[in-house]
Amino acid sequence: DTEVTQTPKHLVMGMTNKKSLKCEQHMGHRAMYWYKQKAKKPPELMFVYSYEKLSINESVPSRFSPECPNSSLLNLHLHALQPEDSALYLCASSQRGQDEKLFFGSGTQLSVL
Amino acid sequence: RKEVEQDPGPFNVPEGATVAFNCTYSNSASQSFFWYRQDCRKEPKLLMSVYSSGNEDGRFTAQLNRASQYISLLIRDSKLSDSATYLCVVNGGFQKLVFGTGTRLLVSP
Repeated sequence: DTEVTQTPKHLVMGMTNKKSLKCEQHMGHRAMYWYKQKAKKPPELMFVYSYEKLSINESVPSRFSPECPNSSLLNLHLHALQPEDSALYLCASSQRGQDEKLFFGSGTQLSVL
Repeated sequence: RKEVEQDPGPFNVPEGATVAFNCTYSNSASQSFFWYRQDCRKEPKLLMSVYSSGNEDGRFTAQLNRASQYISLLIRDSKLSDSATYLCVVNGGFQKLVFGTGTRLLVSP
């Protein structure tokens, strides 16, 4: 079983909706990540939080807004998404940094109508 | 040249076969190397870290060749449950992890 928990597992939203994805880990990891994955493609990095501070934003559109309330939690707020944003959104954590092994949550399958 | 390159496959093998995948990387300064396994519509799961000395875990063996800048994964005695996509992951510039496009393996009875 994964030690990174993501909710919800599935989400369908309209282009005018506001929703949030949630991620939680209790492994004491200090780096947390959001990835986006389209079918038959590798995961693409979106954001990295290191010690609760945003350290990397891979030029992600502002309709995606990350938040790290504490060292165990990571949220991704969604607003005014486009159909092309439909994908699997994966949260991951690692002990300290980006050159370490990642532990992934089971993901949120997002459909934007 | 892509930072991390893999043959997308699919590799179709019968149960019991031995199969090997390679992954090449472009950044000679890379220090961290991993193989992940991903089932359809599931999250990637760490299969193995790859060390300079090579490492083995049961039927799986990973090797690193720094001179030629590639890593390999060997699976012996393939099982039906080994059918999945195998992702090569390497740390690139600015300490970022870079994923290969994955190699799909299909093991048939």
